[in-house]
Amino acid sequence: DAKTTQPTSMDCAEGRAANLPCNHSTISGNEYVYWYRQIHSQGPQYIIHGLKNNETNEMASLIITEDRKSSTLILPHATLRDTAVYYCIAPDSGTYKYIFGTGTRLKVLA
Amino acid sequence: DTGVSQNPRHKITKRGQNVTFRCDPISEHNRLYWYRQTLGQGPEFLTYFQNEAQLEKSRLLSDRFSAERPKGSFSTLEIQRTEQGDSAMYLCASSSPYDSPLHFGNGTRLTVT
Repeated sequence: DAKTTQPTSMDCAEGRAANLPCNHSTISGNEYVYWYRQIHSQGPQYIIHGLKNNETNEMASLIITEDRKSSTLILPHATLRDTAVYYCIAPDSGTYKYIFGTGTRLKVLA
Repeated sequence: DTGVSQNPRHKITKRGQNVTFRCDPISEHNRLYWYRQTLGQGPEFLTYFQNEAQLEKSRLLSDRFSAERPKGSFSTLEIQRTEQGDSAMYLCASSSPYDSPLHFGNGTRLTVT
């Protein structure tokens, strides 16, 4: 199975940037990395995805290393509402599956 | 709201009963996924449909589980002879062209007593 690894938990002060890392060393060259977040009792919410280039949208920025073995999700000005579990996922090569790990539990502190 | 819709949101059933969940994907999304999530864990893949064809099933999907997607629109997931270990959140997601992100519904939470 394709595998992503993320820290179990992180804290961030409100108003500061939250930088969430993810390792995906087994990802293939033409496979995207996707980021989601999940708040209790809701389904995962799509944030951003990327292949090689850095990406930015209204929610976050995504920095992908040149070797594509890792990426970092950046929430530029974290708010209390950003407290959630964040998942970095990638497709499992040769299958249709997207594999979720246990994610990073981000806590934004007032 | 044109997101992925799942019904019911909650289901409580007694062990041994059959249950069926429904997922209505985003209109025109031809790819549809079912996932299962237990407390403290990330979602686990169950099965994948492309239009009406079920192209992949997880080993997690025992003989008691069956999923359908007639006419390539909505999908149903049925669990027969439920067990307490089936208690979980069942999530549905849909997507369009390959490489597009999955869009998840808010799930059906199943409790087997």
